[in-house]
Amino acid sequence: DTGVSQDPRHKITKRGQNVTFRCDPISEHNRLYWYRQTLGQGPEFLTYFQNEAQLEKSRLLSDRFSAERPKGSFSTLEIQRTEQGDSAMYLCASSPTGANTGELFFGEGSRLTVL
Amino acid sequence: QQQVKQSPQSLIVQKGGISIINCAYENTAFDYFPWYQQFPGKGPALLIAIRPDVSEKKEGRFTISFNKSAKQFSLHIMDSQPGDSATYFCAPRMDSSYKLIFGSGTRLLVRP
Repeated sequence: DTGVSQDPRHKITKRGQNVTFRCDPISEHNRLYWYRQTLGQGPEFLTYFQNEAQLEKSRLLSDRFSAERPKGSFSTLEIQRTEQGDSAMYLCASSPTGANTGELFFGEGSRLTVL
Repeated sequence: QQQVKQSPQSLIVQKGGISIINCAYENTAFDYFPWYQQFPGKGPALLIAIRPDVSEKKEGRFTISFNKSAKQFSLHIMDSQPGDSATYFCAPRMDSSYKLIFGSGTRLLVRP
């Protein structure tokens, strides 16, 4: 399978707990993006990496959120002290640098439910 | 996503009919105009896209029409099929970061 993979696919947690999501992009894709999607809405940009450098963070990404891409390959998104409003689908996408097609390749997402 | 306004929110079309979805944008820093298709439980996937120097692009049953002066672009699905039932997003791309700004989505149902 050469697509973007995300783990876990589903996570149920209690308010106040920490959660971590992992994304494995398509190999050789330098850019990696995190989006959040709530029910009935379009995905909202959270942050993106060019290799290991985090180049942009949305204002949606509060201090409780942190994302890393330590070796420019897989990435993790951690949410500390989860709140019910964090319940959403967290989508990861990747693309090669300089792609003229503009295509982002999305994973199937990690669905978070905060009780 | 205030920068991108998509309409309608939902659409019901009979099999064989034409589905039309519209998108209006404000930001002139967009440099690429794709439509993404999303099925339940899946991530969005690129359907068709257009560059701003072209006014129309057709791929099979799918056509994008682009009006740069009006800052609008639309998706036309000809001969709509039940398998086209999905949520469609316009998602123009920022020229610096290549990030996509998604519209709120159009839920299409094609009745057999």
